[in-house]
Parts: sequence; C-alpha cells; structure tokens
Amino acid sequence: AQKITQTQPGMFVQEKEAVTLDCTYDTSDPSYGLFWYKQPSSGEMIFLIYQGSYDQQNATEGRYSLNFQKARKSANLVISASQLGDSAMYFCAMIGNPESGAGSYQLTFGKGTKLSVIP
Amino acid sequence: EPEVTQTPSHQVTQMGQEVILRCVPISNHLYFYWYRQILGQKVEFLVSFYNNEISEKSEIFDDQFSVERPDGSNFTLKIRSTKLEDSAMYFCASSEVLASFFGPGTRLTVL
Repeated sequence: AQKITQTQPGMFVQEKEAVTLDCTYDTSDPSYGLFWYKQPSSGEMIFLIYQGSYDQQNATEGRYSLNFQKARKSANLVISASQLGDSAMYFCAMIGNPESGAGSYQLTFGKGTKLSVIP
Repeated sequence: EPEVTQTPSHQVTQMGQEVILRCVPISNHLYFYWYRQILGQKVEFLVSFYNNEISEKSEIFDDQFSVERPDGSNFTLKIRSTKLEDSAMYFCASSEVLASFFGPGTRLTVL
C-alpha cells in the first residue's frame, strides 16, 4: 500500500519569493515514482514534475524543483520566484514499480496544499 | 499541444439515473484512467484500462461502475444507478507510460 502525506493544508508566500511544499510518502515498492500536480480554482489537474526513486539528481522543470530525500521519504516541491498565477492547490502523488511494465500506473494522491501568493 | 478532453463539463442527474461520462484521451497514449474528487477532498483512483481491458480498479469501483473504449478514441465511464454520494468531479487521465495527463473533469451532481 502507498500513502502520501501533505501536512500543510495552506501556505502563503510573497510574490517573487520561493516556497517549499512538503510531501512525505510511504511505500513497500522497491521502486516508485513521485509527482506533483497543480489544481487551479478552475479545477483542472496540471502535471508539474516527476521524480523516479532511482534518479540520481533532483528533478527540475523551469521554476519547479523537487527536493527528493529518499532516506527521509520526502519529496518536497520548491517553487522559485512565485507568481500570482501559482495560487492553487498542489497535490503530491506517487506510483509504484514504474519499471514493471504493468498495465497500470495509477496515482495515489495526498490531500493537497493550498498555496496563496500575496502581491 | 495534445490534451485530454472530457464531456460534458457538468452533469446534473436524479438519483437512480444512469450517467455516461465521456473522455477522449491523448491519441498515442496507452493507459487510461478514471479518478474522482469529492468536493474539498483528495483525488481518488477508480479504474485503469490498458490493452482494451481493466487492469486495476479500486474498491470504489463497484458493480455500479463500468468503463468502455467503444472506438479508437473515446473512453467512457458509466454509472448505472447514481447515488447522492456519487456527486464529485470525475477526471479522465491518460499516459504514454508514467506521467498521467488529466482532462478538465466532469462535475457530476446527483440530486
């Protein structure tokens, strides 16, 4: 079984500042993948970034980076230079055994963190 | 840029009625999923579909639910007899391999 924990129900950040959104996970799978999705108030789910458990380097995508600490089972999202458009819910999610070639890579989600960017 | 599309965007139905939610996944993707999100809660996996059959399903996906890929492009979720607790946002997603891309969702309201 997989579990994602996001302990921050809400976060505030000043525009242009960096912010870290916390995510810890638990799994018995030997390999796994970690994701972050953004959900604006309009409701859609937007894929942001992916980290494989065997990846040597932390994933980065533009202003998003994933601070992956395997021993601590944490996969925090760092957003640099926050913009007003970053205000949204952010969900951490995971899949198990990404190399298995299984017929499914379903995501297990955390409860999310609501980020508000202050002008 | 290719995207997942879903119709309708909002569906209102009476309890006990059947509903069909429609999705067009990204064309070269192989894995298809349905998720739901009850208002204010986290996103929950319902079912995955690969190689023209269900590959995984959650305990939420009971006999009231079914999925179909009736042609080469559409992917549907049917709820046979809706209940009040089925009210939620339903997301279709597809993936080529690992990263799933979500549609905009269908908000289902059961009265």
